[in-house]
Amino acid sequence: DAGITQSPRHKVTETGTPVTLRCHQTENHRYMYWYRQDPGHGLRLIHYSYGVKDTDKGEVSDGYSVSRSKTEDFLLTLESATSSQTSVYFCAIGDPSGPLDTQYFGPGTRLTVL
Amino acid sequence: EDQVTQSPEALRLQEGESSSLNCSYTVSGLRGLFWYRQDPGKGPEFLFTLYSAGEEKEKERLKATLTKKESFLHITAPKPEDSATYLCAVQAESSASKIIFGSGTRLSIRP
Repeated sequence: DAGITQSPRHKVTETGTPVTLRCHQTENHRYMYWYRQDPGHGLRLIHYSYGVKDTDKGEVSDGYSVSRSKTEDFLLTLESATSSQTSVYFCAIGDPSGPLDTQYFGPGTRLTVL
Repeated sequence: EDQVTQSPEALRLQEGESSSLNCSYTVSGLRGLFWYRQDPGKGPEFLFTLYSAGEEKEKERLKATLTKKESFLHITAPKPEDSATYLCAVQAESSASKIIFGSGTRLSIRP
């Protein structure tokens, strides 16, 4: 298994509270990604990072921010959580510059916003 | 717009009954097509990458094929442990850092 961990694995929070999810990798991959997975929508890209302090928006970035101060850690923050952000969040790592630009996924974080 | 459509949404098979899952895609220049397996409560697990039409990859009872418009995941003599959701994703040459996922096919194999 690719060395990716996510924390917390489960979280229940209330509308309006800030939430931060953490992704940690031990593979030294340059690229890291945050996705959300909802029934009927598949996996949708929120934000991604192509290096320390280098990030870009994905398909569904509104209401989310990210930070990457070290190669191994990528944080996803919901500044003020809403019920529409109830979802399962997956972190992935990859290196599209390599010959096998495959993304490998973490175990996921199930977030419930009440 | 780059798009991935998987069919059927769900498929129930008897153990040993072979079948195929379909992934149709439209992308402005295909860089790669990926197949993943996802078990309930877990992250997607990488299976295959295909890069060009005519390419085939095999792993145990699974074989993935690729044409210019679609990919098939063939499952030969499946077992109950093959039950999972299978996800297809494409990567465009124009946005090599991103991949676009289909909604998946839920496969259930009855003993």
